[in-house]
Amino acid sequence: SYELTQPPSVSVSPGQTARITCSGDALPKKYAYWYQQKSGQAPVLVIYEDSKRPSGIPERFSGSSSGTMATLTISGAQVEDEADYYCYSTDSSGNPQFGGGTKLTVL
Amino acid sequence: EVQLVESGGGLVQPGGSLRLSCAASGFTVSSNYMSWVRQAPGKGLEWVSVIYSGGSTYYADSVKGRFTISRDNSKNTLYLQMNSLRAEDTAVYYCARVIGVPAAREYYFDYWGQGTLVTVSS
Repeated sequence: SYELTQPPSVSVSPGQTARITCSGDALPKKYAYWYQQKSGQAPVLVIYEDSKRPSGIPERFSGSSSGTMATLTISGAQVEDEADYYCYSTDSSGNPQFGGGTKLTVL
Repeated sequence: EVQLVESGGGLVQPGGSLRLSCAASGFTVSSNYMSWVRQAPGKGLEWVSVIYSGGSTYYADSVKGRFTISRDNSKNTLYLQMNSLRAEDTAVYYCARVIGVPAAREYYFDYWGQGTLVTVSS
């Protein structure tokens, strides 16, 4: 089955840039999406179609994708950005798949 | 304002059944794709099922033949009928509105409910 691979954890100090990667064989032909999930809350879409930001999402969140890797970048990470981040995409047949999630620590 | 409110979760014995509901407001369920996504305790997100606006339905292999997604247009509500429940079905179940990306033959989830917990245990 198709897999999207993320690092289990990323840690940065406040104000630094956090980068979370997601690798998948179908990413050259499929978009990547990113969800933020704070403890005890529902996921929130922060990036769609590789690099677009939904209304209300701070500008410090950005996304990119090249080859088989997509990247979520948080420029000037803040304490309130501490959360689990999940990438999402589909395989070549359109079947949905989430990455395993990355725990971002900002301290 | 788009809102999704799930209900119907609870404790059920292995082999039992449960029906989850997701009441939507701010948009029309029947005009959109809708999905269920679940999250086992301490684990990641897992897509469960989708219903297209035209009525076609699709399921993850892990629930195929046991779960049924449906909607009631008059109530603007999405459902998930879960039968033959197993311990591994224990999770928070989220309903989500789905946005299709036809050019890429894919879709994603833009709005999510707060989830309802299903616990399968004897």
